[in-house]
Amino acid sequence: DSGVTQTPKHLITATGQRVTLRCSPRSGDLSVYWYQQSLDQGLQFLIQYYNGEERAKGNILERFSAQQFPDLHSELNLSSLELGDSALYFCASSAGRALVNTEAFFGQGTRLTVV
Amino acid sequence: AQTVTQSQPEMSVQEAETVTLSCTYDTSENNYYLFWYKQPPSRQMILVIRQEAYKQQNATENRFSVNFQKAAKSFSLKISDSQLGDTAMYFCAYSGTQGGSEKLVFGKGTKLTVNP
Repeated sequence: DSGVTQTPKHLITATGQRVTLRCSPRSGDLSVYWYQQSLDQGLQFLIQYYNGEERAKGNILERFSAQQFPDLHSELNLSSLELGDSALYFCASSAGRALVNTEAFFGQGTRLTVV
Repeated sequence: AQTVTQSQPEMSVQEAETVTLSCTYDTSENNYYLFWYKQPPSRQMILVIRQEAYKQQNATENRFSVNFQKAAKSFSLKISDSQLGDTAMYFCAYSGTQGGSEKLVFGKGTKLTVNP
């Protein structure tokens, strides 16, 4: 158990809908990262938050947004869903601002299926 | 932009034997970190080993070791005495600080099967 909790584990929804994925980082970790894993694109970095503020943005679509709350949990919002958004979404957390100085711990992921 | 390439989509090895997974990367940075992550069927991403670029000594964690060749931008993973539980996807990943982000950049992965 990495200590990073993601809910839900599985999600099935229709095209055009909106969903929210939730991540609770390890106790004490300030950084949260979101990654998307799909069969054709592999693991892609989406966005990073540190202590409530956006730190870095990767290949995140405009239909997607995220935030980190004062209690440090994070939510990834996916809207106007398309079939191609079906993927495994991972959250990772680390203690420090710089990932390179601390180990990143991954949650078990949320499997999103858009039908 | 940094890229990570794993040229072996699939590999197999007999139990108790040794296998080496290849990884190359491209970067203009001098200071960075390299990682190998394991993803078993449970989907959990597990850190296997990491290497700081400024360290010349290759990292070792029990049966797992790396061959880090900085000039060649190569970072291979050697698994000794392979066990059935080593069956998983293995991802090579890079982390630097260019662009103000410490995000992980992953390779496409190598599917390793350990046969009894």
